[in-house]
Amino acid sequence: AQSVTQLDSQVPVFEEAPVELRCNYSSSVSVYLFWYVQYPNQGLQLLLKYLSGSTLVKGINGFEAEFNKSQTSFHLRKPSVHISDTAEYFCAVRKAGSNYKLTFGKGTLLTVNP
Amino acid sequence: GAVVSQHPSRVICKSGTSVKIECRSLDFQATTMFWYRQFPKQSLMLMATSNEGSKATYEQGVEKDKFLINHASLTLSTLTVTSAHPEDSSFYICSAKTPGGETQYFGPGTRLLVL
Repeated sequence: AQSVTQLDSQVPVFEEAPVELRCNYSSSVSVYLFWYVQYPNQGLQLLLKYLSGSTLVKGINGFEAEFNKSQTSFHLRKPSVHISDTAEYFCAVRKAGSNYKLTFGKGTLLTVNP
Repeated sequence: GAVVSQHPSRVICKSGTSVKIECRSLDFQATTMFWYRQFPKQSLMLMATSNEGSKATYEQGVEKDKFLINHASLTLSTLTVTSAHPEDSSFYICSAKTPGGETQYFGPGTRLLVL
């Protein structure tokens, strides 16, 4: 089975500062990795995903993440955040192949302050 | 593209009544849909996987007779919470996957409050 650990439950930052949201996973098989964002009272929106190929993945809204197999990590980064980036961010993992079940981390609340 | 809708967005019902939540893929055919439950300030927990034209596969601990799932067409799956109780109050989110695709696209969620 797969598991996901998001080490920080809350990350407060100031506007225009860089941010990194950490995600580590555990799996005995190859995995696909995803980052989703959830704005208050809304569903989840896909930010980016890693399936294969380049370990540096670029997503929407200026976010990027790097897959590090040796450290089993998939940290999310943005060089300069905006107030509008305030939201809950979820890292998710699923087994590569035909099993499409996602396992989510507990989420990180990013709060961008002026 | 890849838009998923849910209806209703919010529902309040009395204890003992049943509530149906619809999940629709608007611009693609979804052979597989998923139903999640999210408690306040918690992550999403997968309840069941719904495949078009076949019975849903429920996760361990989820009562299939209480949470009835129907996936009658390639664009619609429904979740019916039968004989709802206050502990069923939660945020229910569906997602849909395109045939051959690797990504789940999520609906906006339905907030259920059982009084």
